[in-house]
Amino acid sequence: KNEVEQSPQNLTAQEGEFITINCSYSVGISALHWLQQHPGGGIVSLFMLSSGKKKHGRLIATINIQEKHSSLHITASHPRDSAVYICAVGGNDMRFGAGTRLTVKP
Amino acid sequence: GAVVSQHPSRVICKSGTSVKIECRSLDFQATTMFWYRQFPKQSLMLMATSNEGSKATYEQGVEKDKFLINHASLTLSTLTVTSAHPEDSSFYICSARDISRQHPGYTFGSGTRLTVV
Repeated sequence: KNEVEQSPQNLTAQEGEFITINCSYSVGISALHWLQQHPGGGIVSLFMLSSGKKKHGRLIATINIQEKHSSLHITASHPRDSAVYICAVGGNDMRFGAGTRLTVKP
Repeated sequence: GAVVSQHPSRVICKSGTSVKIECRSLDFQATTMFWYRQFPKQSLMLMATSNEGSKATYEQGVEKDKFLINHASLTLSTLTVTSAHPEDSSFYICSARDISRQHPGYTFGSGTRLTVV
């Protein structure tokens, strides 16, 4: 079993839909990260969470430390949100989920 | 915000040659930088942790003599793929941690796509 499990693996949505991507982990963590990887490969760090909830624009990330679970939500999704979203946990030795490939259709 | 510059973004090299990839933190000091590799449609895998002024710590299965890492200053780490082979073709990406903690914990470079022919 992977230390970091993401679901779904692939997700297709219509523009405007509310998106949820889930991440479960089995190791103790100091922080959990949500990353966005665009088709060219470049990675942007969206959130770093150690508790509670954070919001940036249309993106919301939550974490439940007791349940070892985090969710990334995208409200009013747009085709430009199409990317691979990666959950990563840990401190110096970050471990990555396999990623969720999101496609938002106009 | 914190920026990490990685270059080259793409490189094609002949089998047997060496390739150097640079990772530079532009507006913060990074005592620790991380090097990852990503094969197509797979997740990122940590290769090594690079500490300024000391030897890098390599993950199990990563050949330290093949992937030479140098972290000579607080703003620069380099990864050299020596005697490259086609199976080394991959996407390599670095990240850096800001010791001042004024910025989010980890900032990623834009990645280097290496093709060995």
